[in-house]
Amino acid sequence: GENVEQHPSTLSVQEGDSAVIKCTYSDSASNYFPWYKQELGKRPQLIIDIRSNVGEKKDQRIAVTLNKTAKHFSLHITETQPEDSAVYFCAASTTGFTTNTGNQFYFGTGTSLTVIP
Amino acid sequence: DAGITQSPRHKVTETGTPVTLRCHQTENHRYMYWYRQDPGHGLRLIHYSYGVKDTDKGEVSDGYSVSRSKTEDFLLTLESATSSQTSVYFCAISAPGLAGRSYEQYFGPGTRLTVT
Repeated sequence: GENVEQHPSTLSVQEGDSAVIKCTYSDSASNYFPWYKQELGKRPQLIIDIRSNVGEKKDQRIAVTLNKTAKHFSLHITETQPEDSAVYFCAASTTGFTTNTGNQFYFGTGTSLTVIP
Repeated sequence: DAGITQSPRHKVTETGTPVTLRCHQTENHRYMYWYRQDPGHGLRLIHYSYGVKDTDKGEVSDGYSVSRSKTEDFLLTLESATSSQTSVYFCAISAPGLAGRSYEQYFGPGTRLTVT
């Protein structure tokens, strides 16, 4: 099955600086890569995603890049703010909606981001 | 929040007792999932369902069973709870075209289970 590795496990940055979180995956059939933000005691929330036919996607201060050849994708947060402090998870999935059984998501182990005011 | 609720939200139980967690969704999504979240392990898939009475195992299914007799409800049962099953359990749904995009997965609020 798919194996998703995520680094670093913890990350501290000064407010206003950028943060980068990296993930690698093993299954070349994976073609959908979402990122989730989880605040303490809350559910994971989807913040951005990318599909394998796209190399980069931006949404305001966050962006995701994908390198299919190297099987890695990254989350970039610019101009970090204290409210960006949370645990971030990457995931990989194959699109299985053409079959009957749906698609499984494989998650990284998470990165705890702390933004220091 | 994609209309997903979980019950109970917190539960303390003793080793050896059966426990059932419920996931309920209001938007008729076909695909539903149960995950457990533990420090250092991220989210790990226990079981998932791709329709009424259609379920399959995930990577950590030992000691768990599921049932889906209605589209809106996906039940997770610990037949005989053990301390290693102390965790936070999240239900999720996945649907194509949700919010105008494809293949997204949305999570319920979670159930914190403690087995003593």
